[in-house]
Amino acid sequence: GEDVEQSLFLSVREGDSSVINCTYTDSSSTYLYWYKQEPGAGLQLLTYIFSNMDMKQDQRLTVLLNKKDKHLSLRIADTQTGDSAIYFCAPRPGGYNKLIFGAGTRLAVHP
Amino acid sequence: DADVTQTPRNRITKTGKRIMLECSQTKGHDRMYWYRQDPGLGLRLIYYSFDVKDINKGEISDGYSVSRQAQAKFSLSLESAIPNQTALYFCATSEGTANTGELFFGEGSRLTVL
Repeated sequence: GEDVEQSLFLSVREGDSSVINCTYTDSSSTYLYWYKQEPGAGLQLLTYIFSNMDMKQDQRLTVLLNKKDKHLSLRIADTQTGDSAIYFCAPRPGGYNKLIFGAGTRLAVHP
Repeated sequence: DADVTQTPRNRITKTGKRIMLECSQTKGHDRMYWYRQDPGLGLRLIYYSFDVKDINKGEISDGYSVSRQAQAKFSLSLESAIPNQTALYFCATSEGTANTGELFFGEGSRLTVL
């Protein structure tokens, strides 16, 4: 089955860029999602990229996909305290409607 | 009101007790899921249902059962709770594979088994 790896913690200074990385094993993944979980809340979709793209930009968010290396990253520009949350990488393997979630990266933003 | 509602939000129980977590949705989605979240392990799929007559096991179904009472309702049961089932449980819904397959999550049910 699919394995998804993420580092567990990232600490950045307010105003800097954050880069959260994810590696996965199933090359058939069609959609690759980033979900955000704020304290005490459920997960919400932040952004996603389709497997035939290598980059997607959405305001302060940039998603990069390297299919050859099975590597996905999320860059948050000008990181703010409100970006403090857990970020989950979730590829969707081809042929399934089940997402496989990474362990989540806890982003801490400090002044 | 939330589109995906979970009850109870918090529950403390004792080993051996039967527990039911309920989920209802107003999004009109056919597909519903139960996930479990543990620190450092992310979310793991327990059961999922693609329509009212469909039930499928996920990665970690042992010790759990589900019931899809209607399109809008999907409940998760622990027949005899044990301490390692202490976790945060999430219900989610989605439309299906014809679109992006985005999952919509409830706010979670925190279960503590003593």
